[in-house]
Formats: sequence, C-alpha cells, structure tokens
Amino acid sequence: DAKTTQPPSMDCAEGRAANLPCNHSTISGNEYVYWYRQIHSQGPQYIIHGLKNNETNEMASLIITEDRKSSTLILPHATLRDTAVYYCIVRVGKLVFGAGTILRVKS
Amino acid sequence: EAGVAQSPRYKIIEKRQSVAFWCNPISGHATLYWYQQILGQGPKLLIQFQNNGVVDDSQLPKDRFSAERLKGVDSTLKIQPAKLEDSAVYLCASSPHTGAMANEKLFFGSGTQLSVL
Repeated sequence: DAKTTQPPSMDCAEGRAANLPCNHSTISGNEYVYWYRQIHSQGPQYIIHGLKNNETNEMASLIITEDRKSSTLILPHATLRDTAVYYCIVRVGKLVFGAGTILRVKS
Repeated sequence: EAGVAQSPRYKIIEKRQSVAFWCNPISGHATLYWYQQILGQGPKLLIQFQNNGVVDDSQLPKDRFSAERLKGVDSTLKIQPAKLEDSAVYLCASSPHTGAMANEKLFFGSGTQLSVL
C-alpha cells in the first residue's frame, strides 16, 4: 500500500478556504485517493475520492497532481463545523486510516 | 435515510469480563465492517462481512474477539475476556456495494466507547 504523509495539524480562519495537503509519492497506477473526516465523538465521514482527475462535490474539491504523487483537499469556505481530523487514504481494497490532519477552523 | 445504528454508546467493564456490541447497518447495505479506534489513532479494520460471510478477518484477535452477522443484516462483536488494551472506540460501518466496489464509500456509526478497568 502507498504510504501517505499529512501534516499533524492546521488552522484555518472561518470563511476562508482550507487546503489540506497529502503526499503519496509511492502511489501505484490503480490506487485511488480517498478523503474522510472525523468530527469529535462521531464516526468517520466520506468526503471525496479520485484516481487521476480532479473531483468536486458538494463538500469539497480534490486536486491530484499530474504525477499523482500528492493531492490537496479543498474546503472552499470553511466553517466552525469543519473542525475535524481529516484522513487521506491511498489504497486498492480495504481502507487503512493513518493519524490524519487535525483541522481547526477559528472565528 | 437512517444511518448506521450502534449500541451501547458507552460501556465500562473490568478486565477479564466479557462485552458485546451491536450494529444495525443502513437498510440494504450488503457489506459491514467493524473497526477499532484507539485514542489518538486512526480506525483499524477488525473484520469485514459481505452479507453473512466473512471477507477479511486478518486483523481480528481471534483468541478473544468474535463477530457474527447471522442473517446478513445486523451484527454483534464480542470480546471475551477483555484486556486493558482493548479500551477503544468500536466503530461499525456499512457499504451498499460488494466486492471491489465495497470500499468505495463507507458509512460509519458513532461507535461504542469501551473502557476496560
């Protein structure tokens, strides 16, 4: 499985875009990039996933570099409710969660 | 649409006691997972069911942990006897897909927080 590297924590001002990076330099051609988040005292919540192309849904955008060695999750207008641990996962098959990035959105 | 239901929400037991957790997945979801999340870590997969069959239990400590999904709907996870290191949140998740597509999008419950004293 490809290893992912995420910063342990990040801060973001409310209303601004939150850009969460993830490095996955050993990703193989058939491995997808998944993002989940976990709000305190809740189970993880699926956000988005992609293979090669950039993806956008109602929650976020996923930007994958052309060489696929890194990606960025973008929350366009962060709110206080977006404070959570964000997990970047690269895998074919079962999802393996790392420690993630703690995102703190501050007013 | 109702989410994944888990009970109890909290459980406190003494070491060497037994405990059981219950999960009711989203209606119609064929694949069910149990994860263990130790404080400060990401969730770790314990077991995956597809309908009532086990797909992956490679990370389940089978000497003390057991799980079943008898009718392919709800599931129970049991620990007997519990150890101090079993203190964690036990998360249940489900997916509407099977096979290679199963892991594309998981829906998680809020978990059962277990404290072993």
